[in-house]
Amino acid sequence: GAGVSQSPRYKVAKRGQDVALRCDPISGHVSLFWYQQALGQGPEFLTYFQNEAQLDKSGLPSDRFFAERPEGSVSTLKIQRTQQEDSAVYLCASSRTGGSDTQYFGPGTRLTVL
Amino acid sequence: AQSVTQPDIHITVSEGASLELRCNYSYGATPYLFWYVQSPGQGLQLLLKYFSGDTLVQGIKGFEAEFKRSQSSFNLRKPSVHWSDAAEYFCAVGAQGGSYIPTFGRGTSLIVHP
Repeated sequence: GAGVSQSPRYKVAKRGQDVALRCDPISGHVSLFWYQQALGQGPEFLTYFQNEAQLDKSGLPSDRFFAERPEGSVSTLKIQRTQQEDSAVYLCASSRTGGSDTQYFGPGTRLTVL
Repeated sequence: AQSVTQPDIHITVSEGASLELRCNYSYGATPYLFWYVQSPGQGLQLLLKYFSGDTLVQGIKGFEAEFKRSQSSFNLRKPSVHWSDAAEYFCAVGAQGGSYIPTFGRGTSLIVHP
């Protein structure tokens, strides 16, 4: 089947705007992860779902960041009142069962906040 | 908390030459170790991973890595580099028995000269 897809691939927002980033995991994958990758850096963990349950959100940098996966498949990462420091590539990954299973990454959404 | 150091920001090699990318990790117990590759505009792809057993791990695309507990290292090697190997390489460490969510290094950019 298809891999992990993310949309939009590029997003430009004015400071203060709200944005929503979508992730479509591989069909049937139980676990879903969001990462933030700043320019020249490795990905940093944001949050993790197992089915619709958000099991770990320790990496979310502020309460402006919110993620959901209401039906246990598609996930949305929402950033409210965007700031320039939110500019980064947001990566989504899914794995079949979670735990030590291999994570498959999407191509990412590049967010630029002006 | 675990951490990863990739001491080389850029590595330049000639096509056909051998390659070694360095990775040092910090983690108090037995780690899970990963190497991912990221090509421009692409998501991360898993090259190989170490969980237990044989400390020499074979991966895709002709890559291998060796876990050396005494040196806290997990260096990536390839005997003969191809121009298509030019990409960003990330080492990551995960916690066994925990959520396995990987902590990534900042990456090493591989440049291949013809």
